[in-house]
Amino acid sequence: AQSVTQLDSQVPVFEEAPVELRCNYSSSVSVYLFWYVQYPNQGLQLLLKYLSGSTLVKGINGFEAEFNKSQTSFHLRKPSVHISDTAEYFCAVSEMDSNYQLIWGAGTKLIIKP
Amino acid sequence: KAGVTQTPRYLIKTRGQQVTLSCSPISGHRSVSWYQQTPGQGLQFLFEYFSETQRNKGNFPGRFSGRQFSNSRSEMNVSTLELGDSALYLCASSPLGGATDTQYFGPGTRLTVL
Repeated sequence: AQSVTQLDSQVPVFEEAPVELRCNYSSSVSVYLFWYVQYPNQGLQLLLKYLSGSTLVKGINGFEAEFNKSQTSFHLRKPSVHISDTAEYFCAVSEMDSNYQLIWGAGTKLIIKP
Repeated sequence: KAGVTQTPRYLIKTRGQQVTLSCSPISGHRSVSWYQQTPGQGLQFLFEYFSETQRNKGNFPGRFSGRQFSNSRSEMNVSTLELGDSALYLCASSPLGGATDTQYFGPGTRLTVL
């Protein structure tokens, strides 16, 4: 992948409201797509990934993402957020012919307002 | 299984010194990747090792180096430290480092250069 763009650096949302975190990528080949989450003062952990098959992928903690090949997007959604979802979310892409390197977005901080 | 461990968790060094960071991957994982995370640059890939060989390298100066041992443990070294090297250094392991692999991250080593 040549680049991964996370369109929002911060997303504030009220508790129990829905949220969408946006991710777009550019690549000339087929890709695999990942969302990772980083809680404060911790390393990253995988939320979900798209490898093939159904374009709607479900992950941990109630998150899901949809791969849209024509839009080259992989937006992350959750229908109702909780205070515990406060974290930074990273979109990453690897190309099918890649040399084992993930390309990362800049991250989106999800801020939950009580 | 125990997760990825990184030591030390915090380090304070002065300019010109060198530093060595250590990473123990999940048992059975043969691929170890290193990342630098800063507020301004986000996550940047340093290098990836597989079976004691560096397979891929990011765009960092030669002051940044690494190695992997036969038990898959990895170390990274930064020589002649600069103020701009202050960052969170993350290590991630995966079974084979393939394009579809989930990466499992350690908690990171916070390096402060004074």
